[in-house]
This record gives sequence, structure tokens and C-alpha cells, in this order.
Amino acid sequence: DSGVTQTPKHLITATGQRVTLRCSPRSGDLSVYWYQQSLDQGLQFLIQYYNGEERAKGNILERFSAQQFPDLHSELNLSSLELGDSALYFCASSVVPSTSGVQETQYFGPGTRLLVL
Amino acid sequence: GQNIDQPTEMTATEGAIVQINCTYQTSGFNGLFWYQQHAGEAPTFLSYNVLDGLEEKGRFSSFLSRSKGYSYLLLKELQMKDSASYLCAVNPSGTGFQKLVFGTGTRLLVSP
Repeated sequence: DSGVTQTPKHLITATGQRVTLRCSPRSGDLSVYWYQQSLDQGLQFLIQYYNGEERAKGNILERFSAQQFPDLHSELNLSSLELGDSALYFCASSVVPSTSGVQETQYFGPGTRLLVL
Repeated sequence: GQNIDQPTEMTATEGAIVQINCTYQTSGFNGLFWYQQHAGEAPTFLSYNVLDGLEEKGRFSSFLSRSKGYSYLLLKELQMKDSASYLCAVNPSGTGFQKLVFGTGTRLLVSP
């Protein structure tokens, strides 16, 4: 158990709908990362937040958005869902994003499995 | 662009040694990570290399050659529970903020 929690564990919805995925980082971690993992692709970095502010963006679609709240939990919002959005969505957290060159290990939550029908 | 290559699948026998290779071509380099992922579960951290050479941690070791854009993960005394996918990830970001780029993973099957 990494200490990162994600809800819900499974989500089934229809095309065109909107869903919200929730992540609580490990106690003390200020940075949250979101990833998408499809069957035919590796883990794809979506977005990173640090202490409430967006810090890095990957290949995140405009239909997707995220935020980190004052209590440091984060939500990933997926709208106008398409069949191709079916995937595992992981949240990871780390203590701080390092600016000194020292890497911070990312600890992953159990993921939310999204199925769009 | 960013490109990370790993073999798709490998098989090995319980008690043996296996080496999983990873080659990368990225816009920058600020460290390489190896993660283990059992089917349907979260990736778990195994090792981190930023300087050339070998890092050993119990049954697992990881090697990096930055000039060759190459890393490998070495698993010794294989156990059945080592059957999993092994993900190689590079941080190409020069700022230190982590935008990890992951390979598609190597699925390792350990047989009795």
C-alpha cells in the first residue's frame, strides 16, 4: 500500500458523459501527478500539481482538466467522454518537485478503471 | 520527440537471472526509473539511476549508460511473484520537475 488513495476503483459510463476521479496523496506529499494507461500504450503523463498550482502538463486533452485543492487532494475531470478514453487512470504523489536535481520518487495509487460504453 | 524501447515480453525460470533492457532517446535526461507493475495494479518503485553505473538493491540491480542511452534491470534468484510488467521511465525535464516518459513495459513470465 503506497498511501495514495483513489476513488472510485471502477467507473462505467456512456459516451458524451462527464466523470470526476479523485486522488488523495500520501500524508506530507505536496505534488500530485495524473497518468493514463491504455491497453496498447504505456503510462502517459497527463498533468502535475504542486501545492495547488499546475506545474507541468503532458499530452492532456482539452476535454480533460484537473485541480488540486487546499487539502492537497486532487480531482481529474473528464468530459465529453469517448470510447477511446477507456483506460486505467493513476494518480501518483511525491514530497516535492525537486529543483535541486535530486529526484523525488513518485508513489502510485491503485488507479481508477474507466470504461466508456 | 521522446522514445523509450523495451522488449515486449520475456520468459525465465524460477531461480534464474534475467536482464531487461531499456534504450531511450529523449530531449533531455534527468534520471531513469524502473517500476514493477502487476496486472491491474499500481506501479511500484524499484530503482533510480542518474549517474552511470550499477545500483544494487537486494535481488534487483539497475545499470545506466548515459552516453549510450541504455539501461538494464537485472533480477536475480527469480521467484514466481516476480512475474509482472517492468516499466522503464525517463525524466527528460531539465527543470527537475518530473514529466516522466514511460516505455510500454516488459512483461516477464517466471515459470517453475
